[in-house]
Order: sequence, then C-alpha cells, then structure tokens
Amino acid sequence: NAGVTQTPKFRVLKTGQSMTLLCAQDMNHEYMYWYRQDPGMGLRLIHYSVGEGTTAKGEVPDGYNVSRLKKQNFLLGLESAAPSQTSVYFCASRKTGREQFFGPGTRLTVL
Amino acid sequence: SQKIEQNSEALNIQEGKTATLTCNYTNYSPAYLQWYRQDPGRGPVFLLLIRENEKEKRKERLKVTFDTTLKQSLFHITASQPADSATYLCALLGDTDKLIFGTGTRLQVFP
Repeated sequence: NAGVTQTPKFRVLKTGQSMTLLCAQDMNHEYMYWYRQDPGMGLRLIHYSVGEGTTAKGEVPDGYNVSRLKKQNFLLGLESAAPSQTSVYFCASRKTGREQFFGPGTRLTVL
Repeated sequence: SQKIEQNSEALNIQEGKTATLTCNYTNYSPAYLQWYRQDPGRGPVFLLLIRENEKEKRKERLKVTFDTTLKQSLFHITASQPADSATYLCALLGDTDKLIFGTGTRLQVFP
C-alpha cells in the first residue's frame, strides 16, 4: 500500500507557464482534496472531489482547475502560473466519516 | 463567517510535562473534530478523531476533549518527549464534505 502519492515533489515554473500536479491513492477512497499551505496561513482547500467524475470548489479555487476521471487519481492544473501560486501543495484522500491521509507534498516555485 | 482558531504562538515545555493545545471554533456545528501532527517538510498525519457526542477520547499518551457548548477542543500530550515536537493541527467537518483546518500550533519539547 503506497497510500497517497504526489508527482512531482519539486517544480520551478516561470510566470505564465502551465503544469499539472498528479495525486494518486490506492486505498479506494471516495473523497480527494487539494490544499495549499503557506506560512502563517495554514492549509487552505483549493478544490475537492466526492467521487469519480465530480469536482467542487474549495476556499481558494481561482487560477486552478481539477479533474477526477478515475477514482484513484486527482489532478490539479495551473493554466498560467503566477508568483502568488508559489506554495506547498498537499493532496489528501479519505473514506466517509474517517480521517484524511495526506501525500508528501509538492513544493512549487513560480518565478 | 466560519473560523477555527489555534494559538499561533509556539508552545515550549519541558520534557515530562503535559502539553495542552487549544482549538476554538465559531459558526460551526461540526459532526466531528480531528487532530493531526505535521513535521517540517511532510504532510499532516492523523492522530485522533472525536465525535460531537463524545466528551473525551484517549490514545496512549494523547487525550482530546470536545466541548460543543464552549466550541472548543483541548489536545493533551502527557509525559511529553522531545520527539513530540511538531506542529499540531485541528480540523473540523461540518455539514459539508470538506475538512477545514486551523493554522496549527507548534510544540517544542525541551530535554
């Protein structure tokens, strides 16, 4: 059981470039989440999914898009990266009524 | 608006003492509350879950209380050790599918 994995671990982008962060879980969890974590701001929810084919906006969705085509994968896209999107991104998954399992994070720097 | 507050100042205690961390919330009626531990450079790790109809939950040296009247949870680590040094996050699930996190309190245990 790999749990929750994230790809890549680190990335440096230039302003205006695009990229996709991949999250995969092998625990058959219904719910998946993308958070960003910034100093002093805590974990802020970007988008989430309650099941395959569904997505919903979280607290800070602007500038991001997501897709959940397969139950085990949740993709986070940045179409045109901005320096304000420099952050550590965490993916998480859970079953109904249970704890969340987090991935190791992706450290993104936008220059 | 909904708000979760944790003491942003670090808590410094001596080894062997009991550490007590506080989580206060407003404008929530959470079905349950969770506590997570986060080490630098890593994703949060689940510690304990307490439901709205439970007053107290224990796991080894950890104890969580949940007072829905005061809208407060207390997280205790007894006989603290330097290895307990980390940031501790509380999280609430209300009537949505989203788990919302506090900003966390950093605990430092000195030998």
